[in-house]
Amino acid sequence: DSGVTQTPKHLITATGQRVTLRCSPRSGDLSVYWYQQSLDQGLQFLIQYYNGEERAKGNILERFSAQQFPDLHSELNLSSLELGDSALYFCASRGGTGVTGELFFGEGSRLTVL
Amino acid sequence: QQPVQSPQAVILREGEDAVINCSSSKALYSVHWYRQKHGEAPVFLMILLKGGEQKGHEKISASFNEKKQQSSLYLTASQLSYSGTYFCGTGNSGYALNFGKGTSLLVTP
Repeated sequence: DSGVTQTPKHLITATGQRVTLRCSPRSGDLSVYWYQQSLDQGLQFLIQYYNGEERAKGNILERFSAQQFPDLHSELNLSSLELGDSALYFCASRGGTGVTGELFFGEGSRLTVL
Repeated sequence: QQPVQSPQAVILREGEDAVINCSSSKALYSVHWYRQKHGEAPVFLMILLKGGEQKGHEKISASFNEKKQQSSLYLTASQLSYSGTYFCGTGNSGYALNFGKGTSLLVTP
């Protein structure tokens, strides 16, 4: 158990819909990372937050948005869903203020868009 | 910005060695290695930092060539438990950590 909690574990929805994925980092970790994992693309970095502020952005689509709340949990919002958005979405947290600590990954949220 | 890993897949017999390579087109500050078993989350193996510092598990070894912007993960005397997909992640000057597409490793009896 990494200490990172993601909900829901599985989600099935239809094209055009909107979903929210939630992540609770390990106790005390200020950094949260979001990744999308699909079969042919590996782990794609989406976005990173540190103590409520966006710090880095990767290949995140405009239809996707995220935020980190004062209690440090984070949410990833996916809207106008398309079939290609079906993937496993991982959240990871990292302690400390630097950029070199290990990431602790949650179990992931599997999104299926029909 | 996604690092390139090679090979894409490896099949080994127990006890054999393997090397997984990771290269980046950008200057690297750090290289991270993770292993993901089927149906599970990625798990940390090692971090290599510019300047030579390393943090990781004792049984894993890796190298980091800053000039060539490359890293290699060395798996020696492989065990069945080594099977999984190995990802390298590269940190440049910012906070992003970009992972490669992964190297699938299968160790057979």
